[in-house]
Amino acid sequence: EVLLVESGGGLVKPGGTLRLSCEASGFTFNIHYMVWVRQAPGKGLEWISSISHGGGNIDVADSVKGRFTISRDNAKNSVFLQMNSLRAEDTAIYYCAREALGAPDLYPDYWGQGTLVTVSS
Amino acid sequence: SYELTQPPSVSVSPGQTARISCSGSGLSNRHVYWYQQKSGQAPVLVIYEDSNRPSGIPERFSGSISGTVATLTISGAQVDDDSEYYCYSTDGAGQGVFGGGTKVTVL
Repeated sequence: EVLLVESGGGLVKPGGTLRLSCEASGFTFNIHYMVWVRQAPGKGLEWISSISHGGGNIDVADSVKGRFTISRDNAKNSVFLQMNSLRAEDTAIYYCAREALGAPDLYPDYWGQGTLVTVSS
Repeated sequence: SYELTQPPSVSVSPGQTARISCSGSGLSNRHVYWYQQKSGQAPVLVIYEDSNRPSGIPERFSGSISGTVATLTISGAQVDDDSEYYCYSTDGAGQGVFGGGTKVTVL
């Protein structure tokens, strides 16, 4: 069974930093791209950043470029999201998701349950 | 930036057919994916590559695409299908894009 478990969320002040983690199990982690998606309270889904299986190819949404950094540790079956210079508008549930393998496009096929990040003074 | 447009809401009675549209200028040459998100839960993939159902997804869910408009159809909607639905595609530059979401009410 594919399992993705996020951690690291919490309350942080504007301008602060937070590092999210996502531990994967139930599949061969080092052959899948991984992605972070967020959802502000009462709002829709927003694609944030993806990373290739080896970590050499990274894409980042303009809304977080220069502030958020995705990384992975294949030895620990984990993907991370380093969030710096946090703003109130970054308040959201952050989901980690696996990207499908062998498809014509990259798309999330399994999702974690999410971790809540609240940016407030 | 690339955008996908969905209607905010759709209402149907149990047993009726619900249709949710997703329009985007690039959809004529890209695939569309659909996710169901129940309240307080993570999204679940219900359609991939325009019209394919993952294992475990009921046959009443189907997808189609014509030109720049994709459609998710729920045939014989059930109360359990009451959820938010999101379309998804890629922008051709390595980034994903979600539609704004459609709240389907089955009542």
